[in-house]
Amino acid sequence: QSALTQPASVSGSPGQSITVSCTGTSSDVGTYDYVSWYQQHPGKAPKLMIYDVSNRPSGVSNRFSGSKSGNTASLTISGLQAEDEADYYCSSYISSDTLVVFGGGTKLTVL
Amino acid sequence: EVQLVESGGGLVQPGGSLRLSCAASGFIFSNYALTWVRQAPGKGLEWVSAISGSGGTTYYADSVKGRFTISRDNSKNTLYLQMNSLRAEDTAVYTCAKGYLELGSYYYGMDVWGQGTTVTVSS
Repeated sequence: QSALTQPASVSGSPGQSITVSCTGTSSDVGTYDYVSWYQQHPGKAPKLMIYDVSNRPSGVSNRFSGSKSGNTASLTISGLQAEDEADYYCSSYISSDTLVVFGGGTKLTVL
Repeated sequence: EVQLVESGGGLVQPGGSLRLSCAASGFIFSNYALTWVRQAPGKGLEWVSAISGSGGTTYYADSVKGRFTISRDNSKNTLYLQMNSLRAEDTAVYTCAKGYLELGSYYYGMDVWGQGTTVTVSS
């Protein structure tokens, strides 16, 4: 059971915008700005898309953006493209003991 | 080119042990925290363990605490994961990943991932 809750699936048409949510608690997402987002295509290694809530690593398209409100972080993909179809995972600092936890993952389907 | 290459996976009986390695190249190894992440077949990502750049600080998921030990040899640019008392639920692809920021204590965004090594725990 993941400490971070993501929807199992989301979908959108090319050109549209979609948002993936990642809900934690006031002890993790709500307090610390250590939320990251990863994109994973089948059989491939995860790719870092967003770190520290809203920062994009160099080379990541500006169609990807991250934000946080209360205990929920969000990944927004604008101008949806076919190659965006993948699994998306959030992660967050959770405690000084366990440190990090991933969400359960969200499958994005581009219709 | 920045690269991480895992090795050491295989088939092991329940209760057995394995030692995974992750060889790094293309960056100043000791300047970055490193993490092990696993993914069971058809399942999501699970954070397993992390270690600071110096190797002096380590962290473990509750599911592996007391059974797994993470370590690194900065002279060999290699990360390790010693896995003891293995269980069927430890079956997964194990991947090492590098912290994005050049801070030995930054664990939260991982920008370089290996391709993983498969661990199967079965009798």
